Amino acid sequence: NAGVMQNPRHLVRRRGQEARLRCSPMKGHSHVYWYRQLPEEGLKFMVYLQKENIIDESGMPKERFSAEFPKEGPSILRIQQVVRGDSAAYFCASSQNDRAGTEAFFGQGTRLTVV
Amino acid sequence: TQLLEQSPQFLSIQEGENLTVYCNSSRVFSSLQWYRQEPGEGPVLLVTVVTGGEVKKLKRLTFQFGDARKDSSLHITAAQPGDTGLYLCAGGSSNTGKLIFGQGTTLQVKP
Repeated sequence: NAGVMQNPRHLVRRRGQEARLRCSPMKGHSHVYWYRQLPEEGLKFMVYLQKENIIDESGMPKERFSAEFPKEGPSILRIQQVVRGDSAAYFCASSQNDRAGTEAFFGQGTRLTVV
Repeated sequence: TQLLEQSPQFLSIQEGENLTVYCNSSRVFSSLQWYRQEPGEGPVLLVTVVTGGEVKKLKRLTFQFGDARKDSSLHITAAQPGDTGLYLCAGGSSNTGKLIFGQGTTLQVKP
């Protein structure tokens, strides 16, 4: 049973380009979360999605960032017109449900470097 | 403002020593999860605690959830170099799987 799969593992983009990060949740999981981590820091929540729905996007920057989780295929985190400050590790997690205490399992992350 | 405060932020100890990492908040959480993260990897779940006062043991690791469900601690007995890593606590609320993370404790265990 494969875990949460993220790709690419490393992504280099020039300022102004677009970055697309993909996440396939664990089998049987329909809840997906995206987090951002700066070096030596904890993870900051960005967005919570279920299939075809954004449930909570309170952690998403208002501009340039968007996320989707289509009926078929992986969840996508899209960053338009990237800037140097977007450089970070982006992690996806998935869970079976959203009940208290439900366990979230993380992927290995995508490390985005903006040059 | 950090909702979950972890202390200490950095800890460097010798193999065989004991240590405790604390995770504190003024807010009540429905669950508390502890993760360990190695450089270049994603966080790996160690334990989930949901009941106030709950204690869970995982080999040399002991996790406790405070009675009021606002704080938690992780105690490691006889630390080993393999315990080196970033330890993260994360609080969960009911009706959402969203987690609020502490800033992490970087542990280095020297042989």
